[in-house]
Amino acid sequence: AQSVTQLDSHVSVSEGTPVLLRCNYSSSYSPSLFWYVQHPNKGLQLLLKYTSAATLVKGINGFEAEFKKSETSFHLTKPSAHMSDAAEYFCVVSGVTGGGNKLTFGTGTQLKVEL
Amino acid sequence: EPEVTQTPSHQVTQMGQEVILRCVPISNHLYFYWYRQILGQKVEFLVSFYNNEISEKSEIFDDQFSVERPDGSNFTLKIRSTKLEDSAMYFCASKRGGDTGELFFGEGSRLTVL
Repeated sequence: AQSVTQLDSHVSVSEGTPVLLRCNYSSSYSPSLFWYVQHPNKGLQLLLKYTSAATLVKGINGFEAEFKKSETSFHLTKPSAHMSDAAEYFCVVSGVTGGGNKLTFGTGTQLKVEL
Repeated sequence: EPEVTQTPSHQVTQMGQEVILRCVPISNHLYFYWYRQILGQKVEFLVSFYNNEISEKSEIFDDQFSVERPDGSNFTLKIRSTKLEDSAMYFCASKRGGDTGELFFGEGSRLTVL
């Protein structure tokens, strides 16, 4: 069984300040972990993924995440928020099944960026 | 850049009607998926499809749902007799292969059942 918990449903930051979106996971396997972003009326776009290589993963648009096995965490960070970062962010864990991989989504964190 | 395309972007239907949601996955991808997101809730797995058959399905994917890859390019989700609770955004996704491969999602089809 696998699951993810996104600890904050809403995060609000000022433009130019750091972003931290928290995620904890549970998985019976060595997990693959992802962060997806969903802008209003848009599909789900992959920001970054962890697949048992380097624990610090760099993604698009300046985002990065660190896999910490001891804490079962995969928090998403960005040094300086931009207005265009306002969106919903999903932490996702992948389970290896007969069907390839099945993604289990967190409940999402709505990021608001204020001037 | 190749992308997953879905049609229609929005469909409104009456309860009890059949609905077909269409998806064109990326052409060299081998694994296909449907997910759905009820308004205000998390994205949920419905079904995965590989080698022309369902490889896994969730509890949500009951006998009212079916999937098909009729012509080697389209991947469809059919809801036989829609219920109010089927109202959701339905996302199609595809993957080239491998356990850790990235899923590419379409922009979704919003289904509203009245």
